[in-house]
Amino acid sequence: DIVMTQSPDSLAVSLGERATINCKSSQSVLYSSNNKNYLAWYQQKPGQPPKLLIYWASTRESGVPDRFSGSGSGTDFTLTISSLHAEDVAVYYCQQYYSTPLAFGGGTKVEIK
Amino acid sequence: QVQLQESGPGLVKPSQTLSLTCTVSGGSISSADYYWTWIRQHPGKGLEWIGFISYSGSTYYNPSLKSRVTISIDTSKNQFSLKLSSVTAADTAVYYCARDKGSSAYYVMDYWGQGTLVTVSS
Repeated sequence: DIVMTQSPDSLAVSLGERATINCKSSQSVLYSSNNKNYLAWYQQKPGQPPKLLIYWASTRESGVPDRFSGSGSGTDFTLTISSLHAEDVAVYYCQQYYSTPLAFGGGTKVEIK
Repeated sequence: QVQLQESGPGLVKPSQTLSLTCTVSGGSISSADYYWTWIRQHPGKGLEWIGFISYSGSTYYNPSLKSRVTISIDTSKNQFSLKLSSVTAADTAVYYCARDKGSSAYYVMDYWGQGTLVTVSS
């Protein structure tokens, strides 16, 4: 089974500043036949279900602001919020969909400094 | 716009079976393109994938729960269901149903229900 590990557990960022969240998989989620990374990112606000932000490690879901970006390959991935807005306060999760069982990271809580 | 809504008892006694239904609107559950998923979230914790089912009834379960889980689909009602047997307090969680992106990205969930809290207690 693939284990997903996120860091940090939480971070506080000033409004307008950059937030960076890391996600590491216990084995590569890069599928060599199509050169795609099977890695997604979700945002969850209190009392709400998760919302898909990014898939294929860097493809933004329709309607997601372009201040959200994903990068990385193989086992190491990053979600970046280029300029933090107040509405970005949430917990962020990575998810691998390379193999079952599907697995999520433990989450990173983003707060305003 | 696809919408999903979970329903079922909010309180289940230990050793009994948890049963939830997800009703899908705005789209057909019979579509060959999608997987219909159950995910849970323990209070204040992260997300745990339970399993999913295809329109044809093919199922995939998390091995950690496999012996206790059954996911089924009812295309006539546009619903799919979760049964989790022999529950304990450790199964207390918010249960979400979700749909994946289909051929765009199988197993990436883009539509979610609001979630339903199930508490296991006598």
